[in-house]
Amino acid sequence: EDQVTQSPEALRLQEGESSSLNCSYTVSGLRGLFWYRQDPGKGPEFLFTLYSAGEEKEKERLKATLTKKESFLHITAPKPEDSATYLCAVRDNNNDMRFGAGTRLTVKP
Amino acid sequence: EAGVAQSPRYKIIEKRQSVAFWCNPISGHATLYWYQQILGQGPKLLIQFQNNGVVDDSQLPKDRFSAERLKGVDSTLKIQPAKLEDSAVYLCASSPRWGENTEAFFGQGTRLTVV
Repeated sequence: EDQVTQSPEALRLQEGESSSLNCSYTVSGLRGLFWYRQDPGKGPEFLFTLYSAGEEKEKERLKATLTKKESFLHITAPKPEDSATYLCAVRDNNNDMRFGAGTRLTVKP
Repeated sequence: EAGVAQSPRYKIIEKRQSVAFWCNPISGHATLYWYQQILGQGPKLLIQFQNNGVVDDSQLPKDRFSAERLKGVDSTLKIQPAKLEDSAVYLCASSPRWGENTEAFFGQGTRLTVV
């Protein structure tokens, strides 16, 4: 069965302190790896899709990378408004999208 | 473009009662997912529809949960009877047809509290 594991569970950073979030996965036929951001009381909001190992995507202070077994979400010089839970999901050959437990990021000013 | 609509936003029921959630996906999206998200956890896939057919319901507790998507558009998820452990946010998401491997778009969710 597909498995998605995210680490760390929680991460506290000072504003401007760069770091990375990890998503490791096992899936039968990866069709895509997705990163979402979720704010309290809201549904997940799409950030990136990665389709093959070696691919990278960037958006503002965020950069996502993909290998055959894991993905990283790098956050450069974060700001307090980047505080949220970041979710990783994989889509398999059955078109199912399965999520990890998320990393709860807090950025202090 | 209108997003995924869900209702109600909040629901409080007593255990052993029934409850239903409604989802209207983005127009033209063939794929519809229902997820259960317990506080502090990631979304857990319950069921996937492709148009009005079920693709995967292996994680749906069929003794108490049911879902349908008549006419391949709106969908309802029902719980009967509810248990305390069903307290969670129920999220609906949609994406274009299977061949278009794009992201899923989520609604705001329905927060269910079972007391």
